[in-house]
Amino acid sequence: SQTIHQWPATLVQPVGSPLSLECTVEGTSNPNLYWYRQAAGRGLQLLFYSVGIGQISSEVPQNLSASRPQDRQFILSSKKLLLSDSGFYLCAWSGEPRDRIFGSGTQLSVL
Amino acid sequence: GNSVTQMEGPVTLSEEAFLTINCTYTATGYPSLFWYVQYPGEGLQLLLKATKADDKGSNKGFEATYRKETTSFHLEKGSVQVSDSAVYFCALRGLRDTDKLIFGTGTRLQVFP
Repeated sequence: SQTIHQWPATLVQPVGSPLSLECTVEGTSNPNLYWYRQAAGRGLQLLFYSVGIGQISSEVPQNLSASRPQDRQFILSSKKLLLSDSGFYLCAWSGEPRDRIFGSGTQLSVL
Repeated sequence: GNSVTQMEGPVTLSEEAFLTINCTYTATGYPSLFWYVQYPGEGLQLLLKATKADDKGSNKGFEATYRKETTSFHLEKGSVQVSDSAVYFCALRGLRDTDKLIFGTGTRLQVFP
């Protein structure tokens, strides 16, 4: 069966510090992978998606970046966090039939 | 562009009450419509979906009917349980956006015994 792992579950970081959130998928190959953010009082916003290793598409200009070093690994990063980067981050992959399967999310608080 | 609007929460109900969470959308053509649920401490899960007008999605006692004339996909359940307490997200996938989901802001449901 397919599973998706996302960690850490919660993270508190100071402004200006770096960020690395990791997401891995098991039980499938060549998945489409996604990073979403849910800011307080807002819906889920698509940040990045990837259709393959090294292929990243950015949906919105921002302080974050994404990388896909392996087929089933998707990483969200920042060199210097801003207060506005606080939010709930969700990794997802496209299962069948083309619906999203989400990880459990990371609650990021930038102080 | 495509968008989804859903009612603000929290929605607070007693057990066995009737639930409606409104969702309306703006899109060209015939998008696919979804309801996702996020239980406390967990990721989002697909609850139900409908891919064409007049389709009814159903799962775990929840239902939603794709209404093209009112551009709506309201979520309903006849008798809620405490275990239904969660955040519910309405979402759409545009006809040409084969792999992009647009989500509403989410509605928190709290069910008390």
